[in-house]
Amino acid sequence: DAGVTQSPTHLIKTRGQHVTLRCSPISGHKSVSWYQQVLGQGPQFIFQYYEKEERGRGNFPDRFSARQFPNYSSELNVNALLLGDSALYLCASSTRTGGYEQYFGPGTRLTVT
Amino acid sequence: GENVEQHPSTLSVQEGDSAVIKCTYSDSASNYFPWYKQELGKGPQLIIDIRSNVGEKKDQRIAVTLNKTAKHFSLHITETQPEDSAVYFCAAPASGGSYIPTFGRGTSLIVHP
Repeated sequence: DAGVTQSPTHLIKTRGQHVTLRCSPISGHKSVSWYQQVLGQGPQFIFQYYEKEERGRGNFPDRFSARQFPNYSSELNVNALLLGDSALYLCASSTRTGGYEQYFGPGTRLTVT
Repeated sequence: GENVEQHPSTLSVQEGDSAVIKCTYSDSASNYFPWYKQELGKGPQLIIDIRSNVGEKKDQRIAVTLNKTAKHFSLHITETQPEDSAVYFCAAPASGGSYIPTFGRGTSLIVHP
C-alpha cells in the first residue's frame, strides 16, 4: 500500500509570495495533520483535519491555512511568506482524530529567499 | 499545553552497544507516547509506542519504558547497528479530544562500526 505522499518535494519562494503544499493520506485514513520542522528541532503542530473539519490548530499566525477535501487529501497554504517560514513541512495521516498512530510523509522542503 | 524534554541531544555508541534516550513530559493526563526515527531527507517513522496502562513494551531490539509517576519514558535500543544511526524523537499529547502531540527536540544517534 502507498504511504502518505506529499508534493512538491522541494520549493523555493520569495518573501511575500504564497505557497500551496499538498498531501494525500494513506488509503482509509480520514485524519490529516500538518507539521513544520525547522532544522535541528522536532516537528511542530500546525493543523489537524478530520472529515473535512478543523479539529486542532497550533500556535501559528493566520497566514497559515489548510483544508481537507472529500477524498481526505489536504492542502496547506501559507501567505505573505517570511524567511522564517523556511522549513520542512510534514503531513501525517491517521485513521481518525484521536487516532494516535500517525504516519508521516516525506515532507516538502520550503526555502524562502 | 504539553512540555516535552528529550535527552541527550547527541548520543554516540559503538556497534553492538546499547543506547538509551529519555523524555519527560508535563501533562499528567497524557496517555500515549510514541517514538519516531527520522533518517536524513525523510519524514519521521513511527518505530514503537506505549500507552499509559502499560509499563514496558518490546519489539525485537527496541523497547520503551514508561514511568507515569515520574512522568518520563525512555527508548532502549540493544545491539545497535550502523543502520540505527538517525535522529530519534519522542512525543506526548496534550490532554483533550484530538490527538495533538508535542515533540521533543530530538536525539542524534550515531552508531560507529
